[in-house]
Amino acid sequence: DTGVSQDPRHKITKRGQNVTFRCDPISEHNRLYWYRQTLGQGPEFLTYFQNEAQLEKSRLLSDRFSAERPKGSFSTLEIQRTEQGDSAMYLCASSLGPPQGSGTDTQYFGPGTRLTVL
Amino acid sequence: RKEVEQDPGPFNVPEGATVAFNCTYSNSASQSFFWYRQDCRKEPKLLMSVYSSGNEDGRFTAQLNRASQYISLLIRDSKLSDSATYLCVVINFNKFYFGSGTKLNVKP
Repeated sequence: DTGVSQDPRHKITKRGQNVTFRCDPISEHNRLYWYRQTLGQGPEFLTYFQNEAQLEKSRLLSDRFSAERPKGSFSTLEIQRTEQGDSAMYLCASSLGPPQGSGTDTQYFGPGTRLTVL
Repeated sequence: RKEVEQDPGPFNVPEGATVAFNCTYSNSASQSFFWYRQDCRKEPKLLMSVYSSGNEDGRFTAQLNRASQYISLLIRDSKLSDSATYLCVVINFNKFYFGSGTKLNVKP
């Protein structure tokens, strides 16, 4: 399977615990994005990487959230001291990045990790 | 004001009907536009890009109106399998902004 994969698919945790999610992008893709999606809403941008460099972080990404992409391949998203409001689907997407001067890009999404904080 | 706004629907249409959705965006400097489809509890999947000249892919037609800052999606001859949420996506300076989606229910 050459698509974007995410692990785990589901995570149930108690409030206050730390959780870590993993995303493996499509192998030749330079860019990797993390989103959060709640019921009835579209995905909300959290952060993105160009290779191993984290280039953008949303204001939604509080100090409890951290993301890494140490070797420019897979990425992890960690949430510390989880709160009930963190319950959501966490989506990862990857892309090649825009062709020079085009301003356009196409993202491909993984199946997501559904987090439930009790 | 949100970057991207969509009518949440639901649009309930019979099989074979033609249905159209609009999506408005706030930043006139937005560079690229897409429609994604999302089935219940699944990830979004790219449906089509939206080009300035408009583009068609089978039963689906996408249009961009830069002057009025909206994009549209037209679905002809609706199928039961078209039932899903359709997400409008706008790119501004390497950031992707998603609308909340428009839900389509195609009934037999």
